[in-house]
This record gives sequence, structure tokens and C-alpha cells, in this order.
Amino acid sequence: DVKVTQSSRYLVKRTGEKVFLECVQDMDHENMFWYRQDPGLGLRLIYFSYDVKMKEKGDIPEGYSVSREKKERFSLILESASTNQTSMYLCASSSNRDYAPGELFFGEGSRLTVL
Amino acid sequence: QKEVEQNSGPLSVPEGAIASLNCTYSDRGSQSFFWYRQYSGKSPELIMSIYSNGDKEDGRFTAQLNKASQYVSLLIRDSQPSDSATYLCAVNRGAGNNRKLIWGLGTSLAVNP
Repeated sequence: DVKVTQSSRYLVKRTGEKVFLECVQDMDHENMFWYRQDPGLGLRLIYFSYDVKMKEKGDIPEGYSVSREKKERFSLILESASTNQTSMYLCASSSNRDYAPGELFFGEGSRLTVL
Repeated sequence: QKEVEQNSGPLSVPEGAIASLNCTYSDRGSQSFFWYRQYSGKSPELIMSIYSNGDKEDGRFTAQLNKASQYVSLLIRDSQPSDSATYLCAVNRGAGNNRKLIWGLGTSLAVNP
């Protein structure tokens, strides 16, 4: 069964802490994405990567960074967590085959609360 | 004007009825279109993709695309309470490394037993 696995389902952190969210996919997908989802704001793209070592800013990259050292792993880093980063974080992956780039497979999500 | 627009709902239908969900988009050059289902507290799950004008059927689901009118719709036949969820429309804009998936805010569907 194809899978995108996010390391933590629920996290509670304090303001100013460094936070790591890990995502691993087992589908040999080229593309990986980090979104956050907030009520009324929908899915917003933070960062994405179309290849190993490659990363591109999405719509809301401020306060975040990413790392993709291996094809299957895409990490999201909050350098200094703030309360406005309390959210559901969703990792997704997709293939470059045909139209497949829009066919995203999502992980279960990581709900982050920053106090 | 949002790039991808959906009625937020909630859309309420009785069990067994047809649920019709609509989505309009602004970029005439968009090539591929997707419907995702998201249950409360869960992550989105792809249920339909459509790439050419017309209808595409998969079980109880039919996606309809009209590029001239810039809308894509999802019909759910014989709606079941288990279909109660938020349905997200997504549109792929651009091509190659300039492509971008644009999301609607979703339509909430409630199927009443």
C-alpha cells in the first residue's frame, strides 16, 4: 500500500523552539510538498521540491525552511516557532508521470500547537 | 476574484439523492483538474482526475469538465452518509517546473439518512 508518513501526529511546542516535521514517502515520487491548512484559509503551500536537493518557496515560506537530502524524505523546519504557526501541517507527494503532478498523496498530517 | 472558487456550503442532500458540487477557475490555460475528499480531522484524498472536456465516471462519481465555461463539477450518485465530507477542487496551472496546483476552499457536503 502506497504511503506518505509524517513523523508526528500531534506536537506541542513553546514559542521560540526549533521544530522539525519529517515526511517520508515510499512511492519513489519526484515531487514533495508541505502545506498548512487553517479553517477558512484552505490549503496553503509552504515549500515544494521537484528533485533531491532542490527546493522552491511556495506561497507562505516565511518562518519556515526545508531539507530534501534523499528522494524519499522531505523535512520542514520552523526555526523559531511562533503562535501564528499553530496549524495542521500536511506533507504530500506526486509523480511526474503524465498529468500525475496534480495527483497528490497526502500524509495523515501533523497538528502543531505553539504555546 | 479567487483563482478557484467553490461554494462553501454546507450542501445538504438526502441519502440516495444526487449531490452536485461545482468549481469554477480563472486561468483559461489550465490543463488538469482534480477532486479531493477530506473527512473531518483527516487529510485530503484524491477521488477524481479529469483532463479533457466531457464526463468521466468512476463508480458513483462523475466528474464533468467544460473548459469553454471554465468549470468542473463532481456528481455523486446514490449519496451515502459516508460521503459526508468536504470536497476540494484543485486546478493545475502552468506546465513543467512552472506548474502550480491551485486549491479551492472546499464545499462541505452533508448526506442525511
